[in-house]
Amino acid sequence: DAKTTQPTSMDCAEGRAANLPCNHSTISGNEYVYWYRQIHSQGPQYIIHGLKNNETNEMASLIITEDRKSSTLILPHATLRDTAVYYCIVRDVSGNTPLVFGKGTRLSVIA
Amino acid sequence: DGGITQSPKYLFRKEGQNVTLSCEQNLNHDAMYWYRQDPGQGLRLIYYSQIVNDFQKGDIAEGYSVSREKKESFPLTVTSAQKNPTAFYLCASTPLPGQASSNTEAFFGQGTRLTVV
Repeated sequence: DAKTTQPTSMDCAEGRAANLPCNHSTISGNEYVYWYRQIHSQGPQYIIHGLKNNETNEMASLIITEDRKSSTLILPHATLRDTAVYYCIVRDVSGNTPLVFGKGTRLSVIA
Repeated sequence: DGGITQSPKYLFRKEGQNVTLSCEQNLNHDAMYWYRQDPGQGLRLIYYSQIVNDFQKGDIAEGYSVSREKKESFPLTVTSAQKNPTAFYLCASTPLPGQASSNTEAFFGQGTRLTVV
């Protein structure tokens, strides 16, 4: 079973920041938080991951709370092409466990 | 360019027939995975393999079989024992720790949509 919980859906106005929350209250010290997104009828695409520090790349920022029990993915200026299902996943740093997906959050960016 | 390729994109099968879905990667990844996705649902793990000639069942392995004879290839067979095979199937690969640089993310194929007619 997935170790994360996410809201089923969210809306965001085009050009505004999209903040997608994820709860992972049972995360262990050796598990990363990963974010992927899936645009309709395509394979999921990697966005970002982190262990305990906040991370930023060209796509998004990842904010992890100090207790590591939750995180937020931030898309700073959402566009219509960011409409997708966003998955938050925790995975052991050893990489010896498979990726287990929950149902994700369906983000709709509205013009 | 390195990547992961699934074929075919669309597949139709008559009820009672076995069918094999192809997944090939040239990323030199050790680990490969098969997922099933039903409309409006998340991805469910069917099988995964972390090394050649070895694989493990996921959450919904019944009615499916796999092989891993080569590092680059991880074909999935949907057998006639799978009661509801119509779905979108996704293949993925990841490096294992120590195999690559700091990149540990999964790469996905574009999927095969199987329809039983």
